[in-house]
Amino acid sequence: GAGVSQSPRYKVAKRGQDVALRCDPISGHVSLFWYQQALGQGPEFLTYFQNEAQLDKSGLPSDRFFAERPEGSVSTLKIQRTQQEDSAVYLCASSKDRVTGELFFGEGSRLTVL
Amino acid sequence: QKEVEQNSGPLSVPEGAIASLNCTYSDRVSQSFFWYRQYSGKSPELIMSIYSNGDKEDGRFTAQLNKASQYVSLLIRDSQPSDSATYLCAVLLYSSASKIIFGSGTRLSIRP
Repeated sequence: GAGVSQSPRYKVAKRGQDVALRCDPISGHVSLFWYQQALGQGPEFLTYFQNEAQLDKSGLPSDRFFAERPEGSVSTLKIQRTQQEDSAVYLCASSKDRVTGELFFGEGSRLTVL
Repeated sequence: QKEVEQNSGPLSVPEGAIASLNCTYSDRVSQSFFWYRQYSGKSPELIMSIYSNGDKEDGRFTAQLNKASQYVSLLIRDSQPSDSATYLCAVLLYSSASKIIFGSGTRLSIRP
């Protein structure tokens, strides 16, 4: 695709529900990142994939957070038993080869947990 | 100490003046540094990358890197109202080789 596509753009969940956020990176991009951005803050690193391999998941805040990229393209971030502090914008970014820092971001998925 | 630190602002600069944005980082051996711009309600977009000590110019933007002082800055010349945004400093951590860490951003406002 022309850019990084994320869905849904907006998600409202009741506390305790599970949610799944999808990211479709730019075609051919090897590296994929997930970030969490709270209001007024910078993006916080969650996890990184190179192709289908999850090379770094040190930023995932708890074991309720899980990410996968089974075929090396589309990625899903899953949050189980959502809590209010999970409310944030979840940003997906991709880059075309090994990490260079030149990230292309999607529009984000805004999660609100009530 | 946070890995990447920025003054949150807001920084208010008159139109036509030079805006100066600063960033410090803690990973002494990091080699790659980036400035992203984020408009309100939008996603970050890359505006500058810098890898060597000194200055790098691109149009109205100049990035400056001083590895000895662990300091990165961004200068915006002839500031325009369209430059009003949050500017995020980002560092590729050498120790991780995959983790790109962002600062909290500096909100810049250009007043006409």
